Amino acid sequence: GQQVMQIPQYQHVQEGEDFTTYCNSSTTLSNIQWYKQRPGGHPVFLIQLVKSGEVKKQKRLTFQFGEAKKNSSLHITATQTTDVGTYFCAGNTGFQKLVFGTGTRLLVSP
Amino acid sequence: SQTIHQWPATLVQPVGSPLSLECTVEGTSNPNLYWYRQAAGRGLQLLFYSVGIGQISSEVPQNLSASRPQDRQFILSSKKLLLSDSGFYLCAWRPGDYGYTFGSGTRLTVV
Repeated sequence: GQQVMQIPQYQHVQEGEDFTTYCNSSTTLSNIQWYKQRPGGHPVFLIQLVKSGEVKKQKRLTFQFGEAKKNSSLHITATQTTDVGTYFCAGNTGFQKLVFGTGTRLLVSP
Repeated sequence: SQTIHQWPATLVQPVGSPLSLECTVEGTSNPNLYWYRQAAGRGLQLLFYSVGIGQISSEVPQNLSASRPQDRQFILSSKKLLLSDSGFYLCAWRPGDYGYTFGSGTRLTVV
């Protein structure tokens, strides 16, 4: 079945450092979504990318969808302690269901 | 406004006992509804999804079942819980062709 892998599994940075998580799907995706889950909380939708090579920004967060629509990345510039949490990508193949990636847990030290 | 409700927030159940988790959505009609499970420190596993009343698709063979008795109600059940059923259960719906909205989740511990 479809698999979506993320690397790294875990990253610990100092506040102000940059952070990037990478997402790779075993199959071509119709779109990809990113979610953030704070410790003890539920996933919260961040953004959706649809077009090949698409790049979107949300303040310090930059999201990119690969040309082949099989990979994606999330880059955070100058991390803050509020960025702590687990970031999931989720791929949609167009069959009414979303397959979530394995997640990257981010810890930010002040 | 559109909201999703899930309860209870936490649950401790003995092995072999039944389970019923309920999820309801307000402010919309005929939503696609989903049940996910998250083991501690892990990703989200899709368990069931439903595109309408009485329509259930199962993704993983297991000790659980789902039902959709009403348009905006989605229920996750088990007749006899196993230790391996412990986890964080999340209900979600998709407002249109966009991101999923998750409920606050139920933390189930089977003892």
